[in-house]
Order: sequence, then C-alpha cells, then structure tokens
Amino acid sequence: AQSVAQPEDQVNVAEGNPLTVKCTYSVSGNPYLFWYVQYPNRGLQFLLKYITGDNLVKGSYGFEAEFNKSQTSFHLKKPSALVSDSALYFCAVRDRGNRDDKIIFGKGTRLHILP
Amino acid sequence: DGGITQSPKYLFRKEGQNVTLSCEQNLNHDAMYWYRQDPGQGLRLIYYSQIVNDFQKGDIAEGYSVSREKKESFPLTVTSAQKNPTAFYLCASSRGSGTGAYEQYFGPGTRLTVT
Repeated sequence: AQSVAQPEDQVNVAEGNPLTVKCTYSVSGNPYLFWYVQYPNRGLQFLLKYITGDNLVKGSYGFEAEFNKSQTSFHLKKPSALVSDSALYFCAVRDRGNRDDKIIFGKGTRLHILP
Repeated sequence: DGGITQSPKYLFRKEGQNVTLSCEQNLNHDAMYWYRQDPGQGLRLIYYSQIVNDFQKGDIAEGYSVSREKKESFPLTVTSAQKNPTAFYLCASSRGSGTGAYEQYFGPGTRLTVT
C-alpha cells in the first residue's frame, strides 16, 4: 500500500530565511513523488516531481525538493522565503508498479511566511 | 488552473436533493479524477476514470456517482445517500496511461454546502 506523511501541520518561517516542508512516503516499489501548492479557495498547482536520476529536483517559483531513498523522504525546500509563498503544500506519491493512475496525497502542511 | 473548468464555484442545496458538479477539460487528457477536500484531511479520492466509458471507485465513493461519456467531461453527482456532503470538491486530469509520472492538473474547485 502507498502512503504519504507530512509530519507538520504548520510551518512558520521569517521572510528571507530558508524553508523546508517535510514529506516521507511508503510504497512497495519505487516511487514517483510530487509536490503541489494550494492557495485559498483554489485548486492545487503542480510544483515539481521526482521520476529518476538526480536526487535534487528543481521546480516552479524557486522551489526544489530532495529525494532521499534511504530515509524515504522528499522534503520541499526554498533558499529564501517570500511572503507570497504562504499557502498549503501537499506531497504526493505514486508507486511505479501500479497500473492505475492514482496518486496518494498527504494531509498538507500550511506554510506561513512572516514579514 | 489551466484547461480545467468546474462549475459552479459555490453551490447550495437542501438535504435530500441530488446535485451534479460539472468538470470539463480541454487538455486532451485521458485520465480524470474527483477529490473531496475537508479541513485537515487532505485530498480523498472519490472516483477516477482512465478512459472514456470506464471509471473506478476511489476511497470514498459511497453516496457519489459519475459518468464519462466524453473524454473532456467527468461530472460528479452527489446523491442524497452521501451522509456529509458539505465539502470542497476538486476535479483533476492527467495524461495518464497506467504508467509514467504524469502530474495532475486541477480545476478551481466547487464548494458545496448542504443544509
């Protein structure tokens, strides 16, 4: 079975500081991993994904994520936070071995960037 | 929210009434999905469809029904059997094919309130 955990309900970061939003996953095979962002009363927007290869994935709006197979983690990072980064962030996983197109979402982490 | 439209944005219904939420995509995607979002629970999959005239139950299908008569359309009906229908409903699509790390594209959502 697939699962995703986002251990922090909320993360507070001062503007200009680096930010990290944590994600760990569990799949029986190898994963595809995704990060999405949601602004209030909007749908989710895709940020980045890990397929294979380089463990550091770069995505939209200056975000990046680091895949760590031994720790089964895929933490989202940004070197310098902006107030406009404040939003709800979702990590998601799909087991490569599954033939269906389902992906499993975490419960989300609310990121607050403090001016 | 590129290429996926959901209507209406807000919907109010009386208890005991069925209601249909619209989802249309012009991305030529094969796969479409319906999620329900409740505070603190992330996204839960209701139904998904990988191809026209075929769909599969997700994790919380009870009280919901769908159809996929056209590639671009995947309407969701919330029936009177759904015990707690008030929620934010999100439609998504992806290229999908049973393989590949295809990200999902989301519509803007419909907020349904049942009283």
